[in-house]
Amino acid sequence: QSVLTQPPSASGTPGQRVTISCSGASSNIGRNTVNWYQQLPGTAPRLLISNNYQRPSGVPDRFSGSKSGTSASLAISGLQSEDEADYYCAAWDDGLNGSYVFGTGTKVTVL
Amino acid sequence: QVQLEESGPGLVKPSETLSLTCSVSGGSISSYFWTWIRQPPGKGLEWIGYVYYTGSTKYKPSLKSRVTMLVDTSSNQFSLKLNSVTATDTAVYYCARAQGEGYFDAFDIWGRGTLVTVSS
Repeated sequence: QSVLTQPPSASGTPGQRVTISCSGASSNIGRNTVNWYQQLPGTAPRLLISNNYQRPSGVPDRFSGSKSGTSASLAISGLQSEDEADYYCAAWDDGLNGSYVFGTGTKVTVL
Repeated sequence: QVQLEESGPGLVKPSETLSLTCSVSGGSISSYFWTWIRQPPGKGLEWIGYVYYTGSTKYKPSLKSRVTMLVDTSSNQFSLKLNSVTATDTAVYYCARAQGEGYFDAFDIWGRGTLVTVSS
């Protein structure tokens, strides 16, 4: 079972802002950076946000990340139909000999 | 640009060993951490472990007793072996690169994934 908790689903109409939360603990988000991955249907995941808020080259600026304490968030501003995908947060967890952990995943639907 | 491609059997019998190779093209395997992630059908992502180009490794604790990762710098490949498999090991297996040179970081390059089914 994942140690990073995300809502199973989120939705919005085109142009709206959608926010996805990622709840962790002091051993993971509390002391390490958070990454976000986007997985379009039938494809491999893609890095969307690294180090809490940094966007890799090619990622639209409507995607933004933030972190506070033991939680993190991904915001999608100006939602587009091509943003319909699964989103996963992830971070290193220092507990139990250390491990990289993914969130439970959030399915974003564009209505 | 760097590309990754997984290869290996798509079907493995219970109790046997799953073996996959990830071929790195368009760049060197040196200076980076290389990782394996899996995704059971219809479920979320699970990190399996990483291998550094020097050969040092780190595995998910719950899989550690069954996992071996190796790197072959001469052929620009790294590999995953998972022994004593059961049906719960059925998943799409991805290889990926951690983007930091010399340190473990976010996974910026992924292979397309390969489905491995454990069944007799």
